[in-house]
Amino acid sequence: SQTIHQWPATLVQPVGSPLSLECTVEGTSNPNLYWYRQAAGRGLQLLFYSVGIGQISSEVPQNLSASRPQDRQFILSSKKLLLSDSGFYLCAWSSGGVGDTQYFGPGTRLTVL
Amino acid sequence: GQQLNQSPQSMFIQEGEDVSMNCTSSSIFNTWLWYKQDPGEGPVLLIALYKAGELTSNGRLTAQFGITRKDSFLNISASIPSDVGIYFCAGAVRGGSEKLVFGKGMKLTVNP
Repeated sequence: SQTIHQWPATLVQPVGSPLSLECTVEGTSNPNLYWYRQAAGRGLQLLFYSVGIGQISSEVPQNLSASRPQDRQFILSSKKLLLSDSGFYLCAWSSGGVGDTQYFGPGTRLTVL
Repeated sequence: GQQLNQSPQSMFIQEGEDVSMNCTSSSIFNTWLWYKQDPGEGPVLLIALYKAGELTSNGRLTAQFGITRKDSFLNISASIPSDVGIYFCAGAVRGGSEKLVFGKGMKLTVNP
């Protein structure tokens, strides 16, 4: 069966520091991968998605970037965090294709102070 | 961009009551999905619908894919305290991409 991991689970970082959040998927190959941010426990904002290694689509121009160095690894990064980057970051995967069901990871709670 | 209108935004109910929520769109959808998110965790898929008119149950949950392909509802019968959480609808637009469109969520509170 497929599983999705995210780490760290929680992170507290000072403003201006770099960020690296990691997401990995097991039990499937060539998945579509997604990064979402959720503020105040409500709506999901799609940040990036990837349909293959090295292929990144950015949905919202901002202080973050994403990379996919391996088939089942998706990384969310920032060179300098802003206070507004605080939130709950969720990684998801789907098996590929248009509109496939997405399955979410456990999330990372980021607090920028 | 595409939007889903999810209503109500929140509900406060007593244990044992039934709950109904729905999502509507101005676009035709090929897939409707319902997720539940517990506090501090990632959303978990409850029910997936792939055909217009499809009615699917999962325990106390029942969801339907609207005939017009522009709406879906989720019912929870005989609510219990662990039903507390945020419920999201999501869908794939016909002719769309690898992305899903999400509703803004419905926060459910169940009073014991």
